[in-house]
Amino acid sequence: QVQLVESGGGLVQPGGSLRLSCAASGFTFSDYYMSWIRQAPGKGLEWVSYISSGGSTIYYGDSVKGRFTISRDNAQNSLFLQMNSLRADDTAVYYCARAMVRGLKSAFDIWGQGTMVTVSS
Amino acid sequence: DFQMTQSPSTLSASVGDRVTITCRASQSVSSWLAWYQQKPGKAPKLLIYKASTLESGVPSRFSGSGSGTEFTLTISSLQPDDFATYYCQQYDSYSRTFGQGTKVEIK
Repeated sequence: QVQLVESGGGLVQPGGSLRLSCAASGFTFSDYYMSWIRQAPGKGLEWVSYISSGGSTIYYGDSVKGRFTISRDNAQNSLFLQMNSLRADDTAVYYCARAMVRGLKSAFDIWGQGTMVTVSS
Repeated sequence: DFQMTQSPSTLSASVGDRVTITCRASQSVSSWLAWYQQKPGKAPKLLIYKASTLESGVPSRFSGSGSGTEFTLTISSLQPDDFATYYCQQYDSYSRTFGQGTKVEIK
């Protein structure tokens, strides 16, 4: 079935780095735009980044711009988020999500189960 | 920057009640608005997209309306499975802004 599975979360010290992965299955990954969305403990949802199907168009939220890098490997059906210069306020569950239609104007119809990132000394 | 404001933040209701949640955008998003349901410890689930289109498999008691800057999510007859937090999200701009959420609690 259509599925997204995140991995790579964990405990990291402030200023450290972490790389998240999202493995896609059950659909043609290369046809879809993808995003990362996060949720701090007890808080609401915050969109983090967006990448087009071929990887040529990328956007970031202001809070992560210059520190996080989104990428994808369509041959491996995988989405990535490289997170550098991590801060305590980056602590959150990170979800990958599929944009339901090609193009920027699309809601997210498939979500992974999330991976927890904790930034603490 | 886009701001999405939901009201109320918390809503207490009983099974069978009609429930309405409002989402206001700081500028027009046309009809590029989605609603999600999230239960504790779970990923959000898409309910409605393009302001009023029901996602496949979502019960017909859920409906959405609005355009421009004001939108509503209505649950016509609240069921036990509907107690959850609901989020609106605009996708008109590249920055996909979410509302702060509305928690629907058992009265």
